Amino acid sequence: DIQMTQSPASLSASLGETVSIECLASEDIYSNLAWYQQKPGKSPQLLIYYASSLQDGVPSRFSGSESGTQYSLEINSLQPEDEGDYFCQQSYKFPLTFGSGTKLEIK
Amino acid sequence: EVQLQESGPGLVKPSQSLSLTCSVTNYSITNNYWGWIRKFPGNKMEWIGHISYSGSTSSNPSLKSRISITRDTSKNQFFLQLNSVTTEDTATYYCARLTTEGIDYWGQGVMVTVSS
Repeated sequence: DIQMTQSPASLSASLGETVSIECLASEDIYSNLAWYQQKPGKSPQLLIYYASSLQDGVPSRFSGSESGTQYSLEINSLQPEDEGDYFCQQSYKFPLTFGSGTKLEIK
Repeated sequence: EVQLQESGPGLVKPSQSLSLTCSVTNYSITNNYWGWIRKFPGNKMEWIGHISYSGSTSSNPSLKSRISITRDTSKNQFFLQLNSVTTEDTATYYCARLTTEGIDYWGQGVMVTVSS
């Protein structure tokens, strides 16, 4: 199985700041990487697909990038509604696998 | 908008079978792929398996011997059966639509506890 190592496990940042979350794939996944946001009691929401494509309706302050097998989610100009859990997921090979998640707190 | 809704018992006894239904609205399950994903206490996510538009299935090898995913196209529903459950199967179970871009629609999730 492809392992997705996500960091950090938790993050605290202030309104207006920029944060970055990383996922390292254990092998090349050829940009087949999605990012999700999940708020307490809600189902996950797709933010980014194919590593850097923004899902319809997602604010442009969310962006994704890649460098080799390292994938990053950046959130600019943090807003209160950005608080929640974020996780990555590879879709290059079955079984689909997920990162361990990052809990983002807005100070 | 595509809507998915899981249903099933919230409590299952060890060694019994867990059966869940996903009802899909506003989109036919004869298109795309439809999957089951679970989130454990502690937040680890695991892909369970999926059923395709044609009815073929694929399952996580870690669960393959215990799971069955089926569908009823007349009701636009698909199903998960997980046999011989243990306390380690306690999780929130989600049904979802899988696309090449990612998992774009999710159900609200159903919390299943395995306990005697």
